[in-house]
Formats: sequence, C-alpha cells, structure tokens
Amino acid sequence: QVQLQESGPGLVRPSETLSLTCTVSGVSVSSGSYYWSWIRQPPGKGLELIGYIYNSGTTNYDPSLKSRVTISVDTSKNHFSLKLNSVTAADTAVYYCARRHYYFYMDVWGKGTTVTVSS
Amino acid sequence: QSALTQPPFASGSPGQSVTISCTGTSSDVGGYNYVSWYQQHPGKAPKVLIYEVTKRPSGVPDRFSGSKSGNTASLTVSGLQAEDEADYYCSSYAGNNNLFGGGTKLTVL
Repeated sequence: QVQLQESGPGLVRPSETLSLTCTVSGVSVSSGSYYWSWIRQPPGKGLELIGYIYNSGTTNYDPSLKSRVTISVDTSKNHFSLKLNSVTAADTAVYYCARRHYYFYMDVWGKGTTVTVSS
Repeated sequence: QSALTQPPFASGSPGQSVTISCTGTSSDVGGYNYVSWYQQHPGKAPKVLIYEVTKRPSGVPDRFSGSKSGNTASLTVSGLQAEDEADYYCSSYAGNNNLFGGGTKLTVL
C-alpha cells in the first residue's frame, strides 16, 4: 500500500523559507511512471498545484511560483521535498504531497500539513 | 494559466442525480483526454473519483461518472447519498502542468 506523509514546521516567519518533506512508503520514488507533486490549499479556497518532480530530477513548477520554488528528491531516503522562499501571509495553506500518475492525475495523497506564515 | 471554471455550489435530494461542470479551453480540457475529478470532505485530503475523463479507480462507486464535450467536462453523481456531500474539484492536463478548477460544494438536501 502506497502512503505519503508530509512533515515540517507549522509556522514560518514572513520572508523566510518554507521547507517540507514528503516521506513515501510502499513504492520507490525512483520507480518510473510517476511524478511526485506538491499541492496547496489556502484556507477556504481551492487546490493549487505548486509543481512536481520526476525521478530523473526533471521538475515543473507553476509559473506564478517558479521564481521561489524548489522541489527535490532524495532516493536514498525515499522522500521528496519542497522549498518555498520569501514567504508571505498569502503562502499560508494546507500543503499536500501527492503522486501524479503518468496519465496526469493524482492517485495517492498525503493527509496534508498546515503551514501558517506569521511573525 | 487560469484555473478551470466550476459552479461554486450544487445541490440535490437523496436519490437524485446532480451534474457538475468544469469549463476550460482548447489548451486544456478540450485539448486532452486527461480530465480528473476529486472529492474532498472537510478536513480531509482529496480523493480521485475519475481520471482520463471517464475512468473510475477501483473502489469508486459507479454512481460517479464523467464525460466531456468540447472544452467542458462534467461529473455526474447519480443516486445521491448523504455521504456525497463534499467539495468536488476538476483537473486537466494543460500541456506542461495540471490545472485545477475552483471547486464545487455539493449539498445533499
């Protein structure tokens, strides 16, 4: 059974860097056919794709966040990570990691972690 | 890239059918057969209901069905049940990324 679990600080100061990790179990992040994704949901709002990474290290980011985002994968730890720098209150959200199937849908999701940007 | 357009609210009585639309452009919904639908209950992670426009993952009841015409995709929930009350999101491949709709809150009256 494939499971994903987000972890990281729940509170980040404005202008600092948000860092989250998604630990994957039940499948290797190196396996083909999957992209490893980060998605966020601001309070009371809809889903926003932040970006994803393929096991080769190929990444794709939402254009509006591209200048501030880095997604990386650590195959030795079987996890992938998100870094979002220069955060503001607008980055407050529930952050989900998810596995994106080769045919462009998210088939496995983590439970989500709430990140608040506040001083 | 703009989000896909969904009606913010939908409702129906138990046993009835409800259809939720998802409108995009020829660069996303209309250009690819890679539309997916997700159900999200309060405080929970989304769960995929439909992928590749019409396909259901194992375990998803056949009361949920998907279709597409032109730049608009639709999710139909037949035989509404109380547990179907949730938020529903569409998503489409858009050439280099996935777009999401703004979400539809479905109320079972």
